Amino acid sequence: AQSVTQPDIHITVSEGASLELRCNYSYGATPYLFWYVQSPGQGLQLLLKYFSGDTLVQGIKGFEAEFKRSQSSFNLRKPSVHWSDAAEYFCAVGTGGGADGLTFGKGTHLIIQP
Amino acid sequence: EAQVTQNPRYLITVTGKKLTVTCSQNMNHEYMSWYRQDPGLGLRQIYYSMNVEVTDKGDVPEGYKVSRKEKRNFPLILESPSPNQTSLYFCASNFGGNRGTEAFFGQGTRLTVV
Repeated sequence: AQSVTQPDIHITVSEGASLELRCNYSYGATPYLFWYVQSPGQGLQLLLKYFSGDTLVQGIKGFEAEFKRSQSSFNLRKPSVHWSDAAEYFCAVGTGGGADGLTFGKGTHLIIQP
Repeated sequence: EAQVTQNPRYLITVTGKKLTVTCSQNMNHEYMSWYRQDPGLGLRQIYYSMNVEVTDKGDVPEGYKVSRKEKRNFPLILESPSPNQTSLYFCASNFGGNRGTEAFFGQGTRLTVV
């Protein structure tokens, strides 16, 4: 069975600073990888996804993520965070067939300092 | 507009009183899922359905039932709710198979069982 680890429960970043959120997955084949964001009181919004091809993927709101097969990682990055980026971020892995749905990490809570 | 619609958004109920949370999608997706979100645990899959009349258990199915009589609807049923089912619930849908597993989420239902 697949699994996802987000090692950081909370991260605090100053506004304007760069951001990297870590995600490691466990799955025997090439996974489908996703990052979702959840703002307070809101549902989940897809930031970006990796299915195949270029390992550096661009998403919405200026986010990008890089798939590194050798490290089983899919870290999320943003060069300069804004106060509106404060939210909960979830990494998820899917097995491609849709039959098993998504397995989520436990999330990383991002706090933005003025 | 493509969307997943859950109702109600908020629900307070008493232990043992049967309730149903509805979920409807307008994207003709084969695959639908229910997740619950709890602090520190991320999202965990309750049940999923690969198509009409095809459902299966996810990671935390105890205390829940589902049905898929129509492609667009996937209600979550709590026959006898208990306080440990107090949670935030999300319905999701996606295409299965080789069209990828990007999931679209509803806005969530916050359930409190007293």
